[in-house]
Amino acid sequence: QVQLQESGPGLVKPSETLSLTCTVSGGSISSYYWSWIRQPPGKGLEWIGYIYYSGSTNYNPSLKSRVTISVDTSKNQFSLKLNSVTAADTAVYYCAKKTQALDPWGQGTLVTVSS
Amino acid sequence: QSVLTQPPSVSGAPGQRVTISCTGSSSNIGAGFDVHWYQQLPGTAPKLLIYGNSNRPSGVPDRFSGSKSGTSASLAISGLQAEDEADYYCQSYDSSLSGYVFGTGTKVTVL
Repeated sequence: QVQLQESGPGLVKPSETLSLTCTVSGGSISSYYWSWIRQPPGKGLEWIGYIYYSGSTNYNPSLKSRVTISVDTSKNQFSLKLNSVTAADTAVYYCAKKTQALDPWGQGTLVTVSS
Repeated sequence: QSVLTQPPSVSGAPGQRVTISCTGSSSNIGAGFDVHWYQQLPGTAPKLLIYGNSNRPSGVPDRFSGSKSGTSASLAISGLQAEDEADYYCQSYDSSLSGYVFGTGTKVTVL
């Protein structure tokens, strides 16, 4: 079955760019949509955006100006870049496969924005 | 901010039935978009519980059921068990935002 694993720096300085990668194993990244979701500590879930394997994207309007999601089918990976981060971007970041719903999810990775 | 509203918490004794509401609007649930439900056990990633309003993925006990009517949806847990203590989130699509939205989340406590 498909499994997802997030990777990237756990600490990012304010005003810099947060970069994460999600590696898909147990199946091909092709022919599906792939999504990023985040959860600030002690708070609820927020959808960040998704990408189709062909490269078309859809972003949360509240983050659209700062977000880029890309895909590398040769590596079976997709990535998230969030620029100009502030402390409000501190969260656990999850990647997930999107078919009819979001399933499965990666285990999540905590990214802290601090100097 | 979330456009799908859930009660912050619900509780029940073992064996009881509890329900969690998810209230939206005419641009999301009321527009006919599907509602999905996720269970998040403490310290873990969310897991799909119900998809397409009322369908259970394989492996999800039939104690969990979902329904949708008008601009709202509901998740019911019957025969409540201690292992059901978790946070639950609904999720749908919103045409005004042109994107996915999550509910505010509900913490279920087993007394």
